[in-house]
Amino acid sequence: GAVVSQHPSWVICKSGTSVKIECRSLDFQATTMFWYRQFPKQSLMLMATSNEGSKATYEQGVEKDKFLINHASLTLSTLTVTSAHPEDSSFYICSAIVEVGGNQPQHFGDGTRLSIL
Amino acid sequence: KQEVTQIPAALSVPEGENLVLNCSFTDSAIYNLQWFRQDPGKGLTSLLLIQSSQREQTSGRLNASLDKSSGRSTLYIAASQPGDSATYLCAVPGGANNLFFGTGTRLTVIP
Repeated sequence: GAVVSQHPSWVICKSGTSVKIECRSLDFQATTMFWYRQFPKQSLMLMATSNEGSKATYEQGVEKDKFLINHASLTLSTLTVTSAHPEDSSFYICSAIVEVGGNQPQHFGDGTRLSIL
Repeated sequence: KQEVTQIPAALSVPEGENLVLNCSFTDSAIYNLQWFRQDPGKGLTSLLLIQSSQREQTSGRLNASLDKSSGRSTLYIAASQPGDSATYLCAVPGGANNLFFGTGTRLTVIP
C-alpha cells in the first residue's frame, strides 16, 4: 500500500519550455505532498509543501512564480517548471503523507529527471 | 534549522564485509529517523524507520540504531553484497512533516 506515482520519469526539452510533473497517490488520499529537488551528487532539498485546496508553501530561495504547484485533489499534485532554463536541470521527486501528524512516514515517487537543453 | 550529516561520503568494501554508515543531526527533537536507499537516477526506497522511542530497528541484514540525545544514528549492513551498492540517505522530519535529508553515503560493494 501507500504507492506514489510520478510522471514523467524523464523529460528533455528546449530552454524556455514549461514542463509539468505529476505526483499521484494511487491507493490513499494525501492532504499533503512535498516536492524535493536533487542536483547531481547532492542530497534532496525541499522546494515546497503542497496542501490540498490551498496555496503551496515554498522554501526560502525557491521562486513560486517559476515553480507552480497545484494540489487540486487529494490524490494529485502537479509541479510546473515555467520557462525552464539549463540551470533548472535536476532530479525532482515528490512525496506524500497519509495524514498530517508528527510521526508519519513519507512515501516517495520514483522521481523525474529534467534536462533542459 | 535541522542539519543532517552523513559520514563517510563514499565507501568501498569487498563483498561479505560488515559495514556501518553514520548519520548525525543537530536538533534532537525528532519523532523518527528514516534510512533510505537510492539507486543512480532513481527514487527513494525506504529501508527502515526508527521511532524516537526506539533504540534499534532491524530488517534482514540491516540494523539501524538511534541515539537521540547525542543526535546520532547508524545503519549496520551485515554480509554486504554487490546488490547493496547504492547511495544511502538518512532523514529526519521537520516541523511541517517535510524531511531533512543527509548528504548521503555512496556505497560500492566489490565482488
